Amino acid sequence: QKEVEQNSGPLSVPEGAIASLNCTYSDRGSQSFFWYRQYSGKSPELIMFIYSNGDKEDGRFTAQLNKASQYVSLLIRDSQPSDSATYLCAVNPNFGNEKLTFGTGTRLTIIP
Amino acid sequence: ETGVTQSPTHLIKTRGQQVTLRCSSQSGHNTVSWYQQALGQGPQFIFQYYREEENGRGNFPPRFSGLQFPNYSSELNVNALELDDSALYLCASSGGAGGIYEQYFGPGTRLTVT
Repeated sequence: QKEVEQNSGPLSVPEGAIASLNCTYSDRGSQSFFWYRQYSGKSPELIMFIYSNGDKEDGRFTAQLNKASQYVSLLIRDSQPSDSATYLCAVNPNFGNEKLTFGTGTRLTIIP
Repeated sequence: ETGVTQSPTHLIKTRGQQVTLRCSSQSGHNTVSWYQQALGQGPQFIFQYYREEENGRGNFPPRFSGLQFPNYSSELNVNALELDDSALYLCASSGGAGGIYEQYFGPGTRLTVT
């Protein structure tokens, strides 16, 4: 069983709509959860992190965490073509973003 | 653009050879983590260096080794290269005053083993 699972996509969303990206993890003791964006040929960049159950909002992005269901999601509102990228979910058994376990990523395409 | 740099950008090696990849951390950061990202996969944690000592290792064989220098820059060495070592190698810099969630990835080194 993979430790962090994501739907590889591609996920196509019309411009202006909400993109919903999902991730499940196997280690129930995980403490910190991250969403990274990676453009083709580039390195990952951190979008958001969350460590408490519930929602965390930052601009157009909302991260949602449900530790009981071992599920974390990322919502992107008012999707823009520049949001087209691969989105990586990462998990840490501790607090902080070191020694992360990543999923394989979901490729998102925003259709103008 | 982050302050993390990696060299070289691209590298082609032959199976069985050895390679050294370099990473300069962000100013003020004392921790460097190395990740391997195969095509179409997420990054996999190789190991981390904190103040010149290895501080955690992922599921990689001993032929993957590293160093961290007093200025906190780091090297990743891979001996006896195999075809499956072809990947993007990323270093991530952390441990600065920005807190435990501040971490920046470098641009990566693309290694091709033929």
